[in-house]
Amino acid sequence: SQTIHQWPATLVQPVGSPLSLECTVEGTSNPNLYWYRQAAGRGLQLLFYSVGIGQISSEVPQNLSASRPQDRQFILSSKKLLLSDSGFYLCAWSGGLTDTQYFGPGTRLTVL
Amino acid sequence: DAKTTQPPSMDCAEGRAANLPCNHSTISGNEYVYWYRQIHSQGPQYIIHGLKNNETNEMASLIITEDRKSSTLILPHATLRDTAVYYCIVRANTNAGKSTFGDGTTLTVKP
Repeated sequence: SQTIHQWPATLVQPVGSPLSLECTVEGTSNPNLYWYRQAAGRGLQLLFYSVGIGQISSEVPQNLSASRPQDRQFILSSKKLLLSDSGFYLCAWSGGLTDTQYFGPGTRLTVL
Repeated sequence: DAKTTQPPSMDCAEGRAANLPCNHSTISGNEYVYWYRQIHSQGPQYIIHGLKNNETNEMASLIITEDRKSSTLILPHATLRDTAVYYCIVRANTNAGKSTFGDGTTLTVKP
């Protein structure tokens, strides 16, 4: 069966510091990968998606970037965090006939 | 992707059926209706999806109207653990079909 991992689970970072969040998927090959962000009490905002290694599409202009160095690895990064980058970051994968999305456990980022 | 409209909150008595409505009047012919739920501080959990026929699995049933402009998620016997935010999404099953998540419906199951 397929599983998706995210780490760390929680992170507290000062403003201006760099960021690296990692997401890995097991049990499937060539998945579509997604990064979402969720503000408190709100729905999910799609940040990036990837259909293959090195292929990244950005949905909103922002202080963040994404990379996909391996088939089942998706990384969310920032060179300098802003207060507004705080939130709950979710990675998801999809694939197969239905292309249903499945979400990871999330990373709660607090920028102080 | 088409937008959806859901009530912000609903209550349900434990053991009773929970019926969560969703309007998606601008849905396209190739778009599916998906339902997810999110328990506090966890990632969304996939529940069920359908195109035009009603669907049932071990978690829930999905009823889609004939014109496909609305749907209802049914939890047949709600438990306290079903308390969560429920999201209705419509999206096409194309490669990297992106999902637009609104604010969902907060379902509170009460003893």
